[in-house]
Amino acid sequence: DTGVSQNPRHKITKRGQNVTFRCDPISEHNRLYWYRQTLGQGPEFLTYFQNEAQLEKSRLLSDRFSAERPKGSFSTLEIQRTEQGDSAMYLCASFGGRGGYTFGSGTRLTVV
Amino acid sequence: KQEVTQIPAALSVPEGENLVLNCSFTDSAIYNLQWFRQDPGKGLTSLLLIQSSQREQTSGRLNASLDKSSGRSTLYIAASQPGDSATYLCAVPSGSARQLTFGSGTQLTVLP
Repeated sequence: DTGVSQNPRHKITKRGQNVTFRCDPISEHNRLYWYRQTLGQGPEFLTYFQNEAQLEKSRLLSDRFSAERPKGSFSTLEIQRTEQGDSAMYLCASFGGRGGYTFGSGTRLTVV
Repeated sequence: KQEVTQIPAALSVPEGENLVLNCSFTDSAIYNLQWFRQDPGKGLTSLLLIQSSQREQTSGRLNASLDKSSGRSTLYIAASQPGDSATYLCAVPSGSARQLTFGSGTQLTVLP
């Protein structure tokens, strides 16, 4: 169990550019979640995968956001045409049953 | 819709004090409740997970209690240390995806 890994740790991008983040969950966890956290707030749910199926999306996930989890392993979150309001910490978590949720270290996105 | 509130938003205590952080939730039909710690600019570290059938959980100097009927949980930290300084978040799973709903956190500062 090497934990949940997220890359990159930090990303600075210009407004209008596309960015992609990667999450590698704990290998035996079939549930994977993406959250967004802004300064001073708790994380907010974005989307959920069970294996490779994306089963739920939050209203926060605009059409500029897309997430995938090919083969039920790692997941990617892409933001197209980034806006300054997208600046936040993007967190990935996997769920291990009675062990609860395990979070990665997050990707800090800054849109300039 | 589940809502989670944490009081106080910030707390500053001298080293060695015992302290209590509070978490309340509006929908008592929860599966479990999880407490996390977050250091500045970092991801979330799980501290304690309490199942709905449990009243409390302990790990070292930390003790978390759960009262489902009143919609409350407390995190007790004994003999606080400067290294305990961080933001503490509580969260409960809700919705069909069992995504976590978080409070806004309590920012704890332990003064040496």
